Amino acid sequence: GAVVSQHPSRVICKSGTSVKIECRSLDFQATTMFWYRQFPKQSLMLMATSNEGSKATYEQGVEKDKFLINHASLTLSTLTVTSAHPEDSSFYICSATPRRGLQYEQYFGPGTRLTVT
Amino acid sequence: LAKTTQPISMDSYEGQEVNITCSHNNIATNDYITWYQQFPSQGPRFIIQGYKTKVTNEVASLFIPADRKSSTLSLPRVSLSDTAVYYCLVGDNQAGTALIFGKGTTLSVSS
Repeated sequence: GAVVSQHPSRVICKSGTSVKIECRSLDFQATTMFWYRQFPKQSLMLMATSNEGSKATYEQGVEKDKFLINHASLTLSTLTVTSAHPEDSSFYICSATPRRGLQYEQYFGPGTRLTVT
Repeated sequence: LAKTTQPISMDSYEGQEVNITCSHNNIATNDYITWYQQFPSQGPRFIIQGYKTKVTNEVASLFIPADRKSSTLSLPRVSLSDTAVYYCLVGDNQAGTALIFGKGTTLSVSS
């Protein structure tokens, strides 16, 4: 199956600093990638849709100036959490959709655990 | 996007067959039904996808009645390693369409 990777898998940062998370599609090209956030014992919550070569589309309630998304190539999207605060501590997951015939299957990365101290 | 309803939790024993039913009364004509599995601190893993009738792969079966208002994920002979959260999602399956996750079903398998 298709592989989506994320880097880093875990990161600890101090409050007020910025953190960049990378999402890569390893064996396919993805014009669209998605970013999700998951708090403990909760479901995944869609944050934004990342489009290659254009601005990301953010879900209601997600601050676009705080969560900067850059989709510079067909295999890489980055999420930068700017001026991180403890409440931004969460599990961040990206996904992408390779094409299988006429259908698309969405594949998820392994996630990045962000802890802000 | 169609809303889905699943049981919050289910318990089973090793070797049993587990069936998890999902309701999606407002499913649209272009929507597919997809199930994902998630272990703690990991990204969701694709299990199976279908549009109608029955789909089977090496890990599960998916049963979809004619009206498509519900679906049932069937896991044959579960093991301890099948303990996870299972999500049922409905969507038009296009490259630019995000998946909206519901609460999922936490399956606990005991020995």
